[in-house]
Amino acid sequence: NAGVTQTPKFRVLKTGQSMTLLCAQDMNHEYMYWYRQDPGMGLRLIHYSVGEGTTAKGEVPDGYNVSRLKKQNFLLGLESAAPSQTSVYFCASSAINRDEAFFGQGTRLTVV
Amino acid sequence: KQEVTQIPAALSVPEGENLVLNCSFTDSAIYNLQWFRQDPGKGLTSLLLIQSSQREQTSGRLNASLDKSSGRSTLYIAASQPGDSATYLCAVKYGNQFYFGTGTSLTVIP
Repeated sequence: NAGVTQTPKFRVLKTGQSMTLLCAQDMNHEYMYWYRQDPGMGLRLIHYSVGEGTTAKGEVPDGYNVSRLKKQNFLLGLESAAPSQTSVYFCASSAINRDEAFFGQGTRLTVV
Repeated sequence: KQEVTQIPAALSVPEGENLVLNCSFTDSAIYNLQWFRQDPGKGLTSLLLIQSSQREQTSGRLNASLDKSSGRSTLYIAASQPGDSATYLCAVKYGNQFYFGTGTSLTVIP
């Protein structure tokens, strides 16, 4: 039972480069989320999705884009990476009825 | 907007001690509250989920309570062990989103 899987686990980018983070869940969950975790700031919501084909902005969406073309996948894109986007990124999913959140193991991104 | 606060930010206790971690939130219109554990460099592991209609949940040495009207939850850890050392996070489901506290870093000294 894989649960929530994030790819890649580590990445170093140069300022201005682009990349896509992939989140895959095998629990048939409707809701999926992308968070970033920074020291002293806790987890902050970037974007989320309440179902296939839908996306919505969270607390800190600037500089990021997302897509949910398939129910099991939620992609987070950085079009032009900035050092301020150095962070640990977590993906989570939840079902509608129980609302318990399940998290991936995180992606540690460094922008130099 | 929902705001979640956890006190204390850090806690150090000797092995075997019982301890309480606190979580407070500003808007009581939550769907549920969830406690997580996070080890250094790792993801979040769910410990307990309390639905808004419930008062407490128990799992082994862990007991979580919820007082929705006062905007508070506590996580009680009995007979602490060095393996309990980690950061503990609480999160509330509010609307379509989960809001997190900044966590309590727990160290259990052998």
